[in-house]
Amino acid sequence: QKEVEQDPGPLSVPEGAIVSLNCTYSNSAFQYFMWYRQYSRKGPELLMYTYSSGNKEDGRFTAQVDKSSKYISLFIRDSQPSDSATYLCAMSASDFNKFYFGSGTKLNVKP
Amino acid sequence: NAGVTQTPKFRVLKTGQSMTLLCAQDMNHEYMYWYRQDPGMGLRLIHYSVGEGTTAKGEVPDGYNVSRLKKQNFLLGLESAAPSQTSVYFCASSRPSGGAAETQYFGPGTRLLVL
Repeated sequence: QKEVEQDPGPLSVPEGAIVSLNCTYSNSAFQYFMWYRQYSRKGPELLMYTYSSGNKEDGRFTAQVDKSSKYISLFIRDSQPSDSATYLCAMSASDFNKFYFGSGTKLNVKP
Repeated sequence: NAGVTQTPKFRVLKTGQSMTLLCAQDMNHEYMYWYRQDPGMGLRLIHYSVGEGTTAKGEVPDGYNVSRLKKQNFLLGLESAAPSQTSVYFCASSRPSGGAAETQYFGPGTRLLVL
């Protein structure tokens, strides 16, 4: 079983839709949770960073962590064509020497 | 401030050839990492370093070696390339804070094709 599971998609939505991206994990030691956005042929760039459980909002993006269910989500409101990319979740325990990534969900926002 | 840079951007090797990928960061980060990214597999950690002169194995270290002689540089070596090492390689760096590292900053990647 992989440490982090993520639906690869692709997910196709119309412009303006609310997008929900999710990851599940198996290691209860994970405390740090991140979402990265990766455009085609580019390196991942950090979108959201959350410690432990709860919600965090940044503009059109909201990250949620439910440690009891081992489930994290990223919501994108008013999605734009420029949001079309692959979204990777990542997690780490307190030692932070290693990060564990999901395989990524490819999102396409249609104009 | 260039962030994390990688050299080269693209390389074609024949089976059995060797090469070194160079990663450089100008953010004074302590921790550096090498990942490979393959379709459907996500990012997998090859080796990492928590400081100058130290390295450790990650999830998929076989066939690779690394060195961290200077804090700002992290080298990934392939001694005898194999077709299975065809991939996109990403370097990342992060800094420790309060006993834990903050999140990672990634380079633009190196595309490697082994024939």
